[in-house]
Amino acid sequence: KAGVTQTPRYLIKTRGQQVTLSCSPISGHRSVSWYQQTPGQGLQFLFEYFSETQRNKGNFPGRFSGRQFSNSRSEMNVSTLELGDSALYLCASSPRLAGAGETQYFGPGTRLLVL
Amino acid sequence: GESVGLHLPTLSVQEGDNSIINCAYSNSASDYFIWYKQESGKGPQFIIDIRSNMDKRQGQRVTVLLNKTVKHLSLQIAATQPGDSAVYFCAENIVGSYIPTFGRGTSLIVHP
Repeated sequence: KAGVTQTPRYLIKTRGQQVTLSCSPISGHRSVSWYQQTPGQGLQFLFEYFSETQRNKGNFPGRFSGRQFSNSRSEMNVSTLELGDSALYLCASSPRLAGAGETQYFGPGTRLLVL
Repeated sequence: GESVGLHLPTLSVQEGDNSIINCAYSNSASDYFIWYKQESGKGPQFIIDIRSNMDKRQGQRVTVLLNKTVKHLSLQIAATQPGDSAVYFCAENIVGSYIPTFGRGTSLIVHP
């Protein structure tokens, strides 16, 4: 079974631009969660989508948004990019809603650099 | 590879030794905990989890211990191998809503 895939793997943008990242979960998985990883803040939870609905949300500004399609693929959008948005963006999928007893499988991440 | 932290605590061990990685969590209401392993250039990988109604849980070569009194979690790796070299971090969560909080991580270096 193919793992979680993320595209693109690397991206360079300038301040003020917007960016869309894509995540394809493992086949049959219905939950997709997004995370931001930086050297300064470590790994932080952004949000989780399940059955095309956002179910949980971390403490990030509204510039960070996402959506999930009927095939469970998910996209994450960051508008009005700031230098501090430079990070590794990870997505993870699980068969059911993330939480106790539900193993998440992570993709390799998209490395975003904002100049 | 990807850097997950510039100033991570580092644990250096010899191959075959047992390793113990510690994590202090912050929320006394957290009742679900996960350990992840992240190798350079890869996403995190689930290792083992534990709920707050347990003090200990064992997996293959790994054991997680939970001390709720002092809000401390540890991961023990038996017979550490070079392939165990990675960054390890814990996550805490309150069951019922998935909004995990992650620790900063510990870099484990295993010398052959």
